[in-house]
Amino acid sequence: LAKTTQPISMDSYEGQEVNITCSHNNIATNDYITWYQQFPSQGPRFIIQGYKTKVTNEVASLFIPADRKSSTLSLPRVSLSDTAVYYCLVGDSTLNNAGNMLTFGGGTRLMVKP
Amino acid sequence: GAVVSQHPSWVICKSGTSVKIECRSLDFQATTMFWYRQFPKQSLMLMATSNEGSKATYEQGVEKDKFLINHASLTLSTLTVTSAHPEDSSFYICSAQQPSSYEQYFGPGTRLTVT
Repeated sequence: LAKTTQPISMDSYEGQEVNITCSHNNIATNDYITWYQQFPSQGPRFIIQGYKTKVTNEVASLFIPADRKSSTLSLPRVSLSDTAVYYCLVGDSTLNNAGNMLTFGGGTRLMVKP
Repeated sequence: GAVVSQHPSWVICKSGTSVKIECRSLDFQATTMFWYRQFPKQSLMLMATSNEGSKATYEQGVEKDKFLINHASLTLSTLTVTSAHPEDSSFYICSAQQPSSYEQYFGPGTRLTVT
């Protein structure tokens, strides 16, 4: 099971781009990288998932270098409502190994200031 | 689509009583549901994996006789905290997985306070 390491917290200001990096040195060949967002007293919300290079959706981008030992979640032009905890998960996404995707690390607490 | 609900959203109970928490997939069938526990300022910890029609698989350190899980249908899983104690006070979150997908859809969570 690939362990992940993220910064405990980050501060930013409204309108800035925020990049949160996750280290996963022992990522396996079949592992995917998934990021979730969690607000206080709410369940996590899926943000983005990727395997390699770059993935972009309407809310974020995910950059994964060639060695896949780290990944960076990029949030463009953050607002106050982006203040939350962001979790990086790494695991095999195949159905018979779903359990590998279920280990949450410590997460990164992002504080966006006005 | 892919909405998961939990009921109740919060509950207060007295020590020694039992509490049941429901997790429902509203617009899809979930063959697998997961139960997590989250203490303040901490990450989510997986408690158990619930498969429809079979016994739940509990993570190491989670007492199966204390945290009873039932997954009687493809849209409903329940977690019953038996003989609750103050140390069981936590935020309980479920997630559901569609048969053809690996993605988890999380419920809004249930805040349990045991007095």
